Amino acid sequence: GDSVTQMEGPVTLSEEAFLTINCTYTATGYPSLFWYVQYPGEGLQLLLKATKADDKGSNKGFEATYRKETTSFHLEKGSVQVSDSAVYFCALGSGGYQKVTFGTGTKLQVIP
Amino acid sequence: EPEVTQTPSHQVTQMGQEVILRCVPISNHLYFYWYRQILGQKVEFLVSFYNNEISEKSEIFDDQFSVERPDGSNFTLKIRSTKLEDSAMYFCASSVDQGPQETQYFGPGTRLLVL
Repeated sequence: GDSVTQMEGPVTLSEEAFLTINCTYTATGYPSLFWYVQYPGEGLQLLLKATKADDKGSNKGFEATYRKETTSFHLEKGSVQVSDSAVYFCALGSGGYQKVTFGTGTKLQVIP
Repeated sequence: EPEVTQTPSHQVTQMGQEVILRCVPISNHLYFYWYRQILGQKVEFLVSFYNNEISEKSEIFDDQFSVERPDGSNFTLKIRSTKLEDSAMYFCASSVDQGPQETQYFGPGTRLLVL
């Protein structure tokens, strides 16, 4: 079945550091790929998405490129802020009714 | 900006009791979903719902679970006889349409604790 594997956390970075959170997937067909973010005490918010190979999703300085050849969708940000501290979930959408399959989540802590 | 809302935010119940979790999807959305996240584990798909019917469900969604759209705005998840292992965060989501272009918008979740 479909699955998503993302790097273990927690990840601790200093403010303005470069962020990469790795994500790889296994799926049949042509899934859509998503990054969701969960801030403390809040629900899941869509951060960015890509729906086909080589698409780049971007939002709030974050970006990720849909790489079909490596089945990856790594999340990057050039300069993180304390306010980026959250749990980040890589996910894929598949099937006729677009069931979303999530990775385990990576907790990011940014320190001043 | 429209958002999915869920009530209650927290619910504590005794094992064997029935619980109903409520969700109000975004008003023009037609597809509805429930997911759950057991503490420290992945967010897992439970069920999808369209046109007053279940369209897909996972192996987790057994006979003790049911979903309903009782009126034009609410979407509910009922657990008939709760077990300790039902303790989790339950997320409702909705989307305008189905297919790879669509995004599911999630609510803030209901944290259920079964004692």
